[in-house]
Amino acid sequence: DSGVTQTPKHLITATGQRVTLRCSPRSGDLSVYWYQQSLDQGLQFLIQYYNGEERAKGNILERFSAQQFPDLHSELNLSSLELGDSALYFCASNPSGRNTGELFFGEGSRLTVL
Amino acid sequence: AQSVTQPDIHITVSEGASLELRCNYSYGATPYLFWYVQSPGQGLQLLLKYFSGDTLVQGIKGFEAEFKRSQSSFNLRKPSVHWSDAAEYFCAVVFGSSNTGKLIFGQGTTLQVKP
Repeated sequence: DSGVTQTPKHLITATGQRVTLRCSPRSGDLSVYWYQQSLDQGLQFLIQYYNGEERAKGNILERFSAQQFPDLHSELNLSSLELGDSALYFCASNPSGRNTGELFFGEGSRLTVL
Repeated sequence: AQSVTQPDIHITVSEGASLELRCNYSYGATPYLFWYVQSPGQGLQLLLKYFSGDTLVQGIKGFEAEFKRSQSSFNLRKPSVHWSDAAEYFCAVVFGSSNTGKLIFGQGTTLQVKP
């Protein structure tokens, strides 16, 4: 158990819909990272938040947005969903704003878009 | 362009045999290097890391990796594989400074262990 909690574990929805994925980092960790894992793209870095502020951005689509709240939990919002958005979405955390690469991953939220 | 390459998509070894998983990166400087493991239905777990210093690093579960600057490689090894090692293995690299760097993953290598 990494200490990172993601909900929901599984989500099935239709194209055009909007979903929200939630992540609670390890106790005391200030940074949250979001990754998307799909068969064709592999593991893609989406975005990093540190203590409520966006710190780094990766291959995140404009239809996707994220935020980190004062209690440090984070939400990833996916809108206007397309079939290709079906993937496993991971959240990870680490104690500082520095990306030393030592991340603690949750078990992921599997999104299926029909 | 910055990239991480794992040439082997799938590897099968017999239990008790040795293992080497390959990883190459493309970057102008020496990056931070990592191996992560993902067991079925699980998140990723850090196996080992290289920042600087001794180029042979030891990790958890009996794994080790060697950084070779001349080959831009960071191959993962284990002398004797156990059935529980069956999983997907990802090489990862932080490109850029740790303040703004991004952890980029290779495509992964799936390890199957034969009894």
